[in-house]
Amino acid sequence: ETGVTQSPTHLIKTRGQQVTLRCSSQSGHNTVSWYQQALGQGPQFIFQYYREEENGRGNFPPRFSGLQFPNYSSELNVNALELDDSALYLCASSLQSSYNEQFFGPGTRLTVL
Amino acid sequence: DAKTTQPPSMDCAEGRAANLPCNHSTISGNEYVYWYRQIHSQGPQYIIHGLKNNETNEMASLIITEDRKSSTLILPHATLRDTAVYYCIVRPPTSGTYKYIFGTGTRLKVLA
Repeated sequence: ETGVTQSPTHLIKTRGQQVTLRCSSQSGHNTVSWYQQALGQGPQFIFQYYREEENGRGNFPPRFSGLQFPNYSSELNVNALELDDSALYLCASSLQSSYNEQFFGPGTRLTVL
Repeated sequence: DAKTTQPPSMDCAEGRAANLPCNHSTISGNEYVYWYRQIHSQGPQYIIHGLKNNETNEMASLIITEDRKSSTLILPHATLRDTAVYYCIVRPPTSGTYKYIFGTGTRLKVLA
């Protein structure tokens, strides 16, 4: 059973650019959540996808968008990057039920210059 | 906002039990308590969760008070590899979005 994987590991972009981050779910998991973690802070929920549809969203602007594919892998897209978007982006997969735990990937470290 | 309160940092001697407290005084009856930990810049790792009964697994024990307003995560024999930030999370009731609301956690340092 493979765990959650994310790519790339690190990424450097400049302000105004666009970025796509990728996540492969743990085998058998149908739900993917994305979190942003700024330095020294706890992760903040961005959104969740279930069966290829957005299933809830945190307090993030529309320039943060996502996709989930039929194999349950997922992408996080961020347009018009700002300096404050520099963070660790975490993907977590789970089974869609009330109290199953989420399993996190290692994250993508995004630096915006 | 996070529904939990944790001390910002704690130290523990290697080989001793580490007891990490969490206050969740506004917890609702159907909300579970989850514990995760995050070792420097890695993804959070699931440790344990519970509703009202005490729980134990190969990593830790979770003690939830009878009124459910607080809990304690116990690492029975802390090792240097247990040095991490520990997050206590109360899963809010949702209509289908199973998100976690993280606080700032407790930074546990295990000392040799």
